[in-house]
Amino acid sequence: DSGVTQTPKHLITATGQRVTLRCSPRSGDLSVYWYQQSLDQGLQFLIQYYNGEERAKGNILERFSAQQFPDLHSELNLSSLELGDSALYFCASSVVGGPYNSPLHFGNGTRLTVT
Amino acid sequence: KNEVEQSPQNLTAQEGEFITINCSYSVGISALHWLQQHPGGGIVSLFMLSSGKKKHGRLIATINIQEKHSSLHITASHPRDSAVYICAVISNFGNEKLTFGTGTRLTIIP
Repeated sequence: DSGVTQTPKHLITATGQRVTLRCSPRSGDLSVYWYQQSLDQGLQFLIQYYNGEERAKGNILERFSAQQFPDLHSELNLSSLELGDSALYFCASSVVGGPYNSPLHFGNGTRLTVT
Repeated sequence: KNEVEQSPQNLTAQEGEFITINCSYSVGISALHWLQQHPGGGIVSLFMLSSGKKKHGRLIATINIQEKHSSLHITASHPRDSAVYICAVISNFGNEKLTFGTGTRLTIIP
């Protein structure tokens, strides 16, 4: 058990809808990262938060947004959903500010299916 | 060409065999991660390294910064090692973006 909790595990929704994915990091970890894993693109970094502030941005679409709350949990909001957004969304956490100096702890992912 | 290339893409071996998975990258890096993804989808971080060699149980990871290459070795492989192994690099110090390889699917036959 990594200590990182993601909810929900599965989500099925229709095109055009909006969903929120939630992540609770491991106790003591200040950084939260969001990744998308799709069949055709593999794993891609979306965004990172450190202690409530956005720290780094990757291939995150404008339709997607995220935030980290004072209790350090994070939410990833996906709106105007398209079929191509169907993927596994992973959250990871680490103690310090970046994956260049501390290991990552991954949640079990949220499987999003857009129909 | 991807920044991170892994080989082989698929590997099937008999239980007990010594396994090597390779990762080559095209940019200067500050660190490299090896990850394991089980059939259920969960991802586990195996190693983070920026130089030399690390060992954990039957797993060994090495990196050669000059040659831009890393290897993951599994000794005395076991069916429970069957998983996808993913290499990921941080290409610029201070930039926290992980760039992932496409993974190596390992199947160990009893």
